[in-house]
Amino acid sequence: GAGVSQTPSNKVTEKGKYVELRCDPISGHTALYWYRQSLGQGPEFLIYFQGTGAADDSGLPNDRFFAVRPEGSVSTLKIQRTERGDSAVYLCASSPRWSGSYNEQFFGPGTRLTVL
Amino acid sequence: AQSVTQLDSQVPVFEEAPVELRCNYSSSVSVYLFWYVQYPNQGLQLLLKYLSGSTLVESINGFEAEFNKSQTSFHLRKPSVHISDTAEYFCAVSRGTSYGKLTFGQGTILTVHP
Repeated sequence: GAGVSQTPSNKVTEKGKYVELRCDPISGHTALYWYRQSLGQGPEFLIYFQGTGAADDSGLPNDRFFAVRPEGSVSTLKIQRTERGDSAVYLCASSPRWSGSYNEQFFGPGTRLTVL
Repeated sequence: AQSVTQLDSQVPVFEEAPVELRCNYSSSVSVYLFWYVQYPNQGLQLLLKYLSGSTLVESINGFEAEFNKSQTSFHLRKPSVHISDTAEYFCAVSRGTSYGKLTFGQGTILTVHP
């Protein structure tokens, strides 16, 4: 079946602009995660949704970052007033409905954001 | 809070040689431990995980990792590597619950030379 998809695959923008990054999780997956991977680093957690609500947004770096998941499926990560330091690969992952002690996170290919 | 340290940023080896990628973690609560692999131009894939039970876990392609609670380590090993194992490997930890964020290490680039 289809995996997690993310669009666009690449996004180049100018400092100060607004961007939206989209994540389509695996069908039926209730949990959705956003991570950010800067060059030479491991992914860093941003936010986690369970259904439509954000269960943990402790990783969002500041109020320029916001994410939504209005219907419990597709999610959009929104970044206002982009800065050069926001340049990174943004990863999305989804997990299935609770099925035991741990629910694996399946990752998408990522969106590479470059802020000029 | 949890943290993960991968002690080697790059590990070059020759084909058919053994390899060990080191990972140490810190946490004040019980955790689950993972190794993810990222092949060139591909997304992250789960390689193996430790949740509970036997401290030695194995993957389908010959990797194994051992959870050592006293040393807070989860090193990844393979007795004989192939060219196709060339990739970046990430160690990760999460709280011991069914859902929750992953905390990743910085990654280790494994390069297998012929």
